[in-house]
Amino acid sequence: GAGVSQSPRYKVAKRGQDVALRCDPISGHVSLFWYQQALGQGPEFLTYFQNEAQLDKSGLPSDRFFAERPEGSVSTLKIQRTQQEDSAVYLCASSLEKLNTEAFFGQGTRLTVV
Amino acid sequence: TQLLEQSPQFLSIQEGENLTVYCNSSSVFSSLQWYRQEPGEGPVLLVTVVTGGEVKKLKRLTFQFGDARKDSSLHITAAQTGDTGLYLCAGARGAQKLVFGQGTRLTINP
Repeated sequence: GAGVSQSPRYKVAKRGQDVALRCDPISGHVSLFWYQQALGQGPEFLTYFQNEAQLDKSGLPSDRFFAERPEGSVSTLKIQRTQQEDSAVYLCASSLEKLNTEAFFGQGTRLTVV
Repeated sequence: TQLLEQSPQFLSIQEGENLTVYCNSSSVFSSLQWYRQEPGEGPVLLVTVVTGGEVKKLKRLTFQFGDARKDSSLHITAAQTGDTGLYLCAGARGAQKLVFGQGTRLTINP
């Protein structure tokens, strides 16, 4: 596709359930980022990949959060044992090279934990 | 802790008026970006400023980076209803991480 694609667009999970969020970056983009955006707030950095290497995971809020990009393309953000405070929009972005080139964002996945 | 503070958080004005949104920090950034986000969509990049004191214009939007690269402003001239949205500033810390402000929700009334 032409842009960053995220799926599902919406996810409702029961507390304690595991979820997996998918990101298809723009083809050929080296860098991939995950952000968490709470209602009424700006996005908060979660993690960064350069190709398949996870170079920065300092923003992951707990060890329940795990991200991977095994072949340097599609990425998955997994949240184990979801809690209500995990409810947010999860945004994926990719850029051609380093961050200071334009980052293209997907539409996000809205996760609601009930 | 918000590294980038945006003000105002909410702004509602009439079509045709001018407005300025501010993005302030005590930290120095290698570059600063402004994004606009519509409901249900991801942020879309408007501009990147890199040099202290830099001014960039995008039609009716004027972006300025502070001399010390700690702050920025977005000025909109003759606002239109299509300018309504969430405006986000984001500072680059090194090459890999964007730090976002909390956003300014702008509403332009007809």
